Amino acid sequence: QKEVEQNSGPLSVPEGAIASLNCTYSDRGSQSFFWYRQYSGKSPELIMFIYSNGDKEDGRFTAQLNKASQYVSLLIRDSQPSDSATYLCAVNLGGGADGLTFGKGTHLIIQP
Amino acid sequence: DAGVTQSPTHLIKTRGQHVTLRCSPISGHKSVSWYQQVLGQGPQFIFQYYEKEERGRGNFPDRFSARQFPNYSSELNVNALLLGDSALYLCASSLTVEVWYGYTFGSGTRLTVV
Repeated sequence: QKEVEQNSGPLSVPEGAIASLNCTYSDRGSQSFFWYRQYSGKSPELIMFIYSNGDKEDGRFTAQLNKASQYVSLLIRDSQPSDSATYLCAVNLGGGADGLTFGKGTHLIIQP
Repeated sequence: DAGVTQSPTHLIKTRGQHVTLRCSPISGHKSVSWYQQVLGQGPQFIFQYYEKEERGRGNFPDRFSARQFPNYSSELNVNALLLGDSALYLCASSLTVEVWYGYTFGSGTRLTVV
């Protein structure tokens, strides 16, 4: 059974600091990895995707992938109160037929 | 450009009833996927359709069915509703069946079964 594990939080980070969100997955065949942000009562919004080992940066966001350790993380630099949300990690085997397997999400709170 | 549109936005049904949820993908997107998100959980994959054919199915009972139309819009049907079917139902749109670049989700339909 494919599993994606995240610490549900809440993770509280001071404004301007770096928020670090972590995710582990069980299926070694997973090939593509995603981070979604979900505000309360809203639908998930894609922030980053990554499928190669290493780091991928996009503005204040950096996704890190380590396939050997089956670990993917999201760093948010210069955290803003508007970053307060639930962050969902999702993985896919590479094709579309299995859909995305999501973790339960980490609730991030940025303290002004 | 219109994003992924879902209707209705909210719905209240009684146990045992049937419900139909609708989704229109982003223009040019040929794949539609359906997800169920129960409060406090991540979305769970129900179906993926591409070019009007079912390409993937998650671990949901046969009470759940879907279809995709020639214009790539889609319907999700749920029969014999249970209280546990209360959830946010999300439609996701992508160009093809591959999800290398992720989905775009609609705003969802919140279903309450009483």
